Amino acid sequence: ETGVTQTPRHLVMGMTNKKSLKCEQHLGHNAMYWYKQSAKKPLELMFVYNFKEQTENNSVPSRFSPECPNSSHLFLHLHTLQPEDSALYLCASSLLAGGPPSQETQYFGPGTRLLVL
Amino acid sequence: SQQGEEDPQALSIQEGENATMNCSYKTSINNLQWYRQNSGRGLVHLILIRSNEREKHSGRLRVTLDTSKKSSSLLITASRAADTASYFCATAESSGGTSYGKLTFGQGTILTVHP
Repeated sequence: ETGVTQTPRHLVMGMTNKKSLKCEQHLGHNAMYWYKQSAKKPLELMFVYNFKEQTENNSVPSRFSPECPNSSHLFLHLHTLQPEDSALYLCASSLLAGGPPSQETQYFGPGTRLLVL
Repeated sequence: SQQGEEDPQALSIQEGENATMNCSYKTSINNLQWYRQNSGRGLVHLILIRSNEREKHSGRLRVTLDTSKKSSSLLITASRAADTASYFCATAESSGGTSYGKLTFGQGTILTVHP
């Protein structure tokens, strides 16, 4: 257990559905991240939140909409996804984003395996 | 090409042998980190080396960093079957010594340790 939980662990959705992924960290961290991991591709950073403020949007399509209501919770709202969006979505947290190296170690959740039909 | 490329892409060894994985990157970095991922699971942080450090140890892990060559290596000594996993390097890019606050991951090395 890393102190970062993600729900659901598995999700199957159609292209017209709307769903949300949830991430919660119990580490007292101030930065949270969404990553996408597809087969045969490097882990792709999607969004970064630092103290609830979005500090990075890595050219992510608008069908992915993040929400960070507080430093402990992070959501990824999904709508009208495409089959190529099927992947493992990983959430991570760190003490800070952009702080001293010792505060940038990231702790990952187990991921949500998403399949878009 | 991308930041943080690992070499080799796959490595198969016997228990007790040492495993060495390499990572190359292209930009200035604040620090470099190594992570491990068991199949289909989240990543687990292994070790962080700062840009002004050359070598670091943690248990059976030894990491080196050569900023002049923009490369790092991860050595796992006396490997065990339980070390079987994917290993990723991740770089924290920086400008003027200040981190941008995000990590860029490589494609990883798949390590298989046979009992």
